[in-house]
Amino acid sequence: AQKITQTQPGMFVQEKEAVTLDCTYDTSDPSYGLFWYKQPSSGEMIFLIYQGSYDQQNATEGRYSLNFQKARKSANLVISASQLGDSAMYFCAMTGNTPLVFGKGTRLSVIA
Amino acid sequence: AAGVIQSPRHLIKEKRETATLKCYPIPRHDTVYWYQQGPGQDPQFLISFYEKMQSDKGSIPDRFSAQQFSDYHSELNMSSLELGDSALYFCASSLGPTGETQYFGPGTRLLVL
Repeated sequence: AQKITQTQPGMFVQEKEAVTLDCTYDTSDPSYGLFWYKQPSSGEMIFLIYQGSYDQQNATEGRYSLNFQKARKSANLVISASQLGDSAMYFCAMTGNTPLVFGKGTRLSVIA
Repeated sequence: AAGVIQSPRHLIKEKRETATLKCYPIPRHDTVYWYQQGPGQDPQFLISFYEKMQSDKGSIPDRFSAQQFSDYHSELNMSSLELGDSALYFCASSLGPTGETQYFGPGTRLLVL
């Protein structure tokens, strides 16, 4: 069975600083995908970034980058130059031969 | 770009009533997923369809059923509603059934009284 662990229930970051949200995973599938989603207080689930298990380079999407360390089974999200609009719940998720499995999420609060 | 459309956005029902949630995937997406997110919880997978056939089944109660139609839209039918069914219900779609990025709709917020 696949499992995602997010150990940080809540994080604070100063505006314009970078922040890292931790995610570790467990799976027996040789091929899998790792995702990060953002859920603002309005409730929608917004796709941020994807990393395939065979990708050699870390994924980047604008201010988001994924620090993928396969041997350690970690897929941390790095947000650079935080903005007030980044305040939200962030979910790490993975899929292999099963639909998406989510972690419990990390609530990020950006302080002005 | 077109996104996943869900209707209704909000729904209030009484216990033991029925509800139908609709989902219109992103054009050309052939796979639809349903998730349930309780208050303060992470989303839990309910069921998915690929090319109008059920492709995977998660923790969907027997009181719930779903299908995908010829135009790829999907409906989640919920009967004998219970208080515990109050949640945010997401539909997501992807191009392909395995491992592809799933794009979520805005969700339907169901409140059972």
